[in-house]
Order: sequence, then C-alpha cells, then structure tokens
Amino acid sequence: GAVVSQHPSRVICKSGTSVKIECRSLDFQATTMFWYRQFPKQSLMLMATSNEGSKATYEQGVEKDKFLINHASLTLSTLTVTSAHPEDSSFYICSARESSGRPGTQYFGPGTRLTVL
Amino acid sequence: EDQVTQSPEALRLQEGESSSLNCSYTVSGLRGLFWYRQDPGKGPEFLFTLYSAGEEKEKERLKATLTKKESFLHITAPKPEDSATYLCAVHDSNYQLIWGAGTKLIIKP
Repeated sequence: GAVVSQHPSRVICKSGTSVKIECRSLDFQATTMFWYRQFPKQSLMLMATSNEGSKATYEQGVEKDKFLINHASLTLSTLTVTSAHPEDSSFYICSARESSGRPGTQYFGPGTRLTVL
Repeated sequence: EDQVTQSPEALRLQEGESSSLNCSYTVSGLRGLFWYRQDPGKGPEFLFTLYSAGEEKEKERLKATLTKKESFLHITAPKPEDSATYLCAVHDSNYQLIWGAGTKLIIKP
C-alpha cells in the first residue's frame, strides 16, 4: 500500500517555457502533499506544503510565483515551474501524507528530473 | 534547535557482514522518527516509523530501534542489493520532517 506516483519521470525543456509535474496518491487519500527539491549528493529541501483545497505554504526563499502548486483533490497535487531557466534544473520529488489520524508517515514519489536548456 | 545527525557518512561492508547505522536527534517532544532508503535517481522509499523509546521494527534484513536520544538501523547479513543511501528524519513540533544527511551504504559481493 501507500503508493505515490509522479509524472513525468524526466523532462527536458527550453528556457522560458513552463513545465507541469503531477503527483498522485494511488491507494490512499492525502490531505497534505509536499514538494521537495534535491541537488546531487545533497539532502531533500522542502519547497512547499500543500493542503487540499487551500493555498500552499512556501518555505523561505522559494518563489511562489515561479513554483505554482495546486492541490485540487485528495489524490492529486501539481507543481508548475513557470518560465523555467537552467538554474531550475534539479530533481523534484513529491510526497503525500495520509489523511487519517495524527500526522504520520510521508510516502514519496519516484521523482522528476527536470533539465532546462 | 531541532537537529538530526547520521553516522557514519559512508559505510562499506562485505556481503554478509552485519553492522549498524546511527541516527541521533535533538527535538522538543518526539512526534515520530522515520527511516527511508534512497537509490540514486529515485525518491525515498519508506522503511520504518518509530514513535516511542524502546520500540523496535523489523523488515527482512533490517531492524530499527529507538531510544530517547537516537535510533539505530541494524542490517544483518547484507546483500549487494541493500546498497543505497539510508535517510533518517524526525517530525518537528509542526510535523515537518527534519532530515539527517544520510549514510551511504555499499555492500561488496
């Protein structure tokens, strides 16, 4: 159980274009989903926390106009990187937390490798 | 300040050589300690959640234990496929994850 999918697994785009990444919880409902970014050989860096039906909470230093997050249902959250530039190239990972009971385990998706040319 | 420290940074073992990874933490009121495994180019894979001192959990060759100050991930008779980076994290007072830097485990055949 507790499977989280991400799509696409990798994307290459030109500078200035926008890219949308989907994150789905396949077998459970997730009130809260998280978006992380990971650079090579570094720890996961939390970008934002999204709660279904409300605005996302962004971490300090993360541009909310650049990284648009939508959490329209209990099983789907999307991250849109707007006007992407080469410095946005990174590994983006989402996670989802089950809705029931106390805040517990986060289950992670397989990640999306974004390369901006 | 909430903090998670993992040691060692890297560990090389021969196949079948048992060992332990350490995760020490300082947090005001533990609300959960989590172990994940991460393979290169993939998202973290959930292994265990521990909530209180004395708790132990097992899965195949892995066993996680918890005290009031640290957690150990014991690996018994490891195989090459156990090679990965093992990540430890704790919940802070807002139920956000505080991550350790990870231990890179290499099992040589």
